Order: sequence, then structure tokens, then C-alpha cells
Amino acid sequence: DIQMTQSPSTLSASVGDRVTITCRASQSISSWLAWYQQKPGKAPKLLIYKASSLESGVPSRFSGSGSGTEFTLTISSLQPDDFATYYCQQYNSYSLTFGGGTKVEIK
Amino acid sequence: QITLKESGPTLVKPTQTLTLTCTFSGFSLSTSGVGVGWIRQPPGKALEWLALIYWDDDKRYSPSLKSRLTITKDTSKNQVVLTMTNMDPVDTATYYCAHRRLAYGWFDPWGQGTLVTVSS
Repeated sequence: DIQMTQSPSTLSASVGDRVTITCRASQSISSWLAWYQQKPGKAPKLLIYKASSLESGVPSRFSGSGSGTEFTLTISSLQPDDFATYYCQQYNSYSLTFGGGTKVEIK
Repeated sequence: QITLKESGPTLVKPTQTLTLTCTFSGFSLSTSGVGVGWIRQPPGKALEWLALIYWDDDKRYSPSLKSRLTITKDTSKNQVVLTMTNMDPVDTATYYCAHRRLAYGWFDPWGQGTLVTVSS
């Protein structure tokens, strides 16, 4: 299995901050990576696919970058609605795997 | 608009078999390239992919759980069923089903999820 490691596991930030979350793959996954946002008690919501493509309807303050083994999700100016947990998911291999999640908390 | 909804027992006993149903609308599992997957999330923990089934009945399973899982589809009812044998308390989780296209790799959208507790 390809292991996906997210960092940090928890991030404290304020409204208006620029936030960056990292996801590392145990082997190259090209650009086959998605990012999801999950709020408490809700299902994950797709934000980014193919590492850097913004899903329709997702605010432009969200962006993704990277390829190979290292990827980042950036929120350019954190908004109150963005406090949530974020997961990466690789789909390079037959066996799909998610990262451990990054919780973005209010500072 | 694509929607999915999971249904099944909220409580199962250890060693029992869990059967979950995903009922969907807005797409057909007879359409080329379409698939439905199952993902679970233990309370306070990360997401874990379990299984996938495609329009052509191609089935894929998590290697670590393959021996315990079976995924099937009923195209006429717009349903996908997941069975998991020999349930254990560590299998307590919210179970989600989600739409997937073979040409893509991500899951979108997801169902609301159903919490399954394993306890005697």
C-alpha cells in the first residue's frame, strides 16, 4: 500500500491567516491526489483533484500543488467556514489510501 | 443531482456479519465508467477505503480487509451492498458510500454516512 502522511495533524490559525497543509506519499503518485474537507458529523467534501484542479464551486482561496511524493493544500486567507479537518487521498494505485487528516482549529 | 444514502443496522454483535446498503440516485451503475465505493471512519480517526464496484462488475477491495468484505450491486434497484464478516469492536465506525468514475480517482459526492457500533 502507498502510505499518505499529512502534517501537521493539528493546526491553530486565525481568520485571515495563510494556511498550508502537507501530504507526503511513500512512493511517487504523479499528480493522482485529491483533497477533501470534512466538518464534524458531515461527510467529506471534494476540494481539489489531480493535485491542483479546483472542484467546481470551491472558493478560489483554496489551492493545491505538488507532484510525485509531496503535495500541499493552501488556504490563502482562512475564513470562519474553513475550520474543519482536511484529508488527502491518493488514487495512483489499485489500493486507495487517505492521509491521517489535519484539523484546522481556531487560534 | 447525484445523491447516495447508506442504510443498515446501527448495532451489531462481535462475530456477526454486517450488511450495509447504499441507495443512490442521479446516475446508473449500468453506465460505462461509473462506480460506487465504501469508506469508513472510526470515531475521531481517519478515513479508510474499503471496497469499490464498477458498472462492469469489476470489484476491488482493501488488501487488509479483503478476506472479510463482499461488494455487490443491484442495478435495477440502484443499490450497492457491502457485507463485512466477523465484526469486531474495532470495526465501530461511520460507513460512507460514494460515487466514483473510473476515469477519475476521487470520490464525489459522498453519502451522509451511517454509524455502526460493534458491541455485545
